Amino acid sequence: GAVVSQHPSRVICKSGTSVKIECRSLDFQATTMFWYRQFPKQSLMLMATSNEGSKATYEQGVEKDKFLINHASLTLSTLTVTSAHPEDSSFYICSARENRGNQPQHFGDGTRLSIL
Amino acid sequence: GENVEQHPSTLSVQEGDSAVIKCTYSDSASNYFPWYKQELGKRPQLIIDIRSNVGEKKDQRIAVTLNKTAKHFSLHITETQPEDSAVYFCAARGGANNLFFGTGTRLTVIP
Repeated sequence: GAVVSQHPSRVICKSGTSVKIECRSLDFQATTMFWYRQFPKQSLMLMATSNEGSKATYEQGVEKDKFLINHASLTLSTLTVTSAHPEDSSFYICSARENRGNQPQHFGDGTRLSIL
Repeated sequence: GENVEQHPSTLSVQEGDSAVIKCTYSDSASNYFPWYKQELGKRPQLIIDIRSNVGEKKDQRIAVTLNKTAKHFSLHITETQPEDSAVYFCAARGGANNLFFGTGTRLTVIP
């Protein structure tokens, strides 16, 4: 079945560091991938939609210069949290959907980001 | 954009009883409604989904119903087991192809 791989699974770093998270679709092609953020005991909030070969679409309130998204191929999207601060600490989850037909959305294992 | 509301936020049931979680959505263009189960610190797992051309779908102990006119859909779990305990999220996907999630329901099945 469709598998989405995300890494790293856990990042702990100092304030001001930039952190890159990778999301790969392992056995299917995904023109579009999605990045979500989830705070403790809360729902998944869509941050941005990553489009292969073009600019990402950001949801209202999400700073595009803060959360850089690159979708360089049909199987890889990256999210870079630039100059991360403690308030950026969260669980970041990517998701992808197969290009063909109306397919379900599959999630990566998530990245727990802790900024000290 | 789409707005998905989910109730209740917490639900406790005795093992063997049924659990029902309800969601409403706002965008009439939404046509795909998945349900996800998320255990602590793990990825959401798709457990069942329904498309707008169907009113009900069942998979063993899990069923989902959709009322497009009223713009609400529900998850039904029968014969609940302790391993059903988790957080459940409903979601809706519409014309923008984005999934918008409900606020989640923490289900606890008491042995």
